[in-house]
Order: sequence, then C-alpha cells, then structure tokens
Amino acid sequence: RKEVEQDPGPFNVPEGATVAFNCTYSNSASQSFFWYRQDCRKEPKLLMSVYSSGNEDGRFTAQLNRASQYISLLIRDSKLSDSATYLCVVNIGGYSSASKIIFGSGTRLSIRP
Amino acid sequence: EADIYQTPRYLVIGTGKKITLECSQTMGHDKMYWYQQDPGMELHLIHYSYGVNSTEKGDLSSESTVSRIRTEHFPLTLESARPSHTSQYLCASRQGTTNEKLFFGSGTQLSVL
Repeated sequence: RKEVEQDPGPFNVPEGATVAFNCTYSNSASQSFFWYRQDCRKEPKLLMSVYSSGNEDGRFTAQLNRASQYISLLIRDSKLSDSATYLCVVNIGGYSSASKIIFGSGTRLSIRP
Repeated sequence: EADIYQTPRYLVIGTGKKITLECSQTMGHDKMYWYQQDPGMELHLIHYSYGVNSTEKGDLSSESTVSRIRTEHFPLTLESARPSHTSQYLCASRQGTTNEKLFFGSGTQLSVL
C-alpha cells in the first residue's frame, strides 16, 4: 500500500463546476499536509497548506480528517486555468530530523469550456 | 518566488558520459531533496539531505549520487549516463520545521541518447 494515495482521475468537468479530490495517508504520525499544483512539464507549486480546522483560500477549501486519515480539496466555480495535476503531500514522521515529504501520485483535472 | 535554481534546464548527452546536475538555493534551508519524474507520472524521491555532510537515499533506487558540502548547494552526479536515466530531475528545499512548505527548482530535463 502506498503511503499517500490519490484517485488519479482524470476528472473532466465543465467550467463553473465544483470538484472535490480526496487523498488518504497511512502513517498516523504524519504532522503536516499540503496540496500542490503541477502544470504539464513544470515544477510543483504550493497551492495551500492543510490545517486541522480546515482552511479556505478564495475558491479553494482544504480539509483534514485525522481520525480517518484523509485530506480533501474542494474547488468551487472552476476555471479553465484550474486544469492541472493536484498533488497531495504529507510530511511523514513528524518533527524528527527523519521526517520525509511524501507525494501522492496526483489527480489530473481538466476543465472544459 | 522561490530562490532555488537548477542548471542546466535541458541536457542531451550521449551514453557513458559523466554528468552533474546543479541545484542551489539562497534561502538558507537545511533540507534539500532530489526527485525524479517521468512525463505524466508521479514524483519519486531519490535523495535527500538534512544538512551539510548529511545525505540519504530516497524511496526510488537510483544510480546517481549526491553531496552536500555547503548548505546552499546539492549537486546530483551520474558517473555513466544511460538511456534509462532519461527523465526530469527536480530539486527542492525547505526549512527544518515541520510545517514549512517545499520550494522547487524549475527542473532539469535529461535525455541520454
């Protein structure tokens, strides 16, 4: 079983739709969580950190459920420019110097006009 | 904007050549990482470093080696390049605390003929 799992998609949705991605992680000691966005042949860029209380940034909302060990990302009123691969990222191992960043395989999103 | 730089951006080279991919960051980050990514595929961690003179192998076995003699510099070397090494190599860094995000360089696209 992978340490971080995501539905690979692709999700093909019309512009203006609301779309949600989930991600599950296996290590209960994981301490920090992020969503990254990666465009084709580009480097990943941070979209938002994920906090236990949930957090929102414009059209994007991230949620963390520690009990069930999953993270979600909700995109409202989707735009053509939202088309990308969304990567779930987990910091495994907490605060020790042995902590590692683990990337999910990514969920591809395609927004159609 | 992230102050992390990778050179070269593209490299086409013949089999058997020794190559070094450069990665430098000016943010004073302790932790640095090398990822390998094929088109449309997930990121794979191949090396990481927690600080000067500290290097560890990642989850994906790689014939490459790394060094960390200075905080800001984390070069990756292939002693004898082969076509199977063709891939995109992404360098990243972050500060040592758990919740600090990962910054990526623009990547090096390596093609071995």
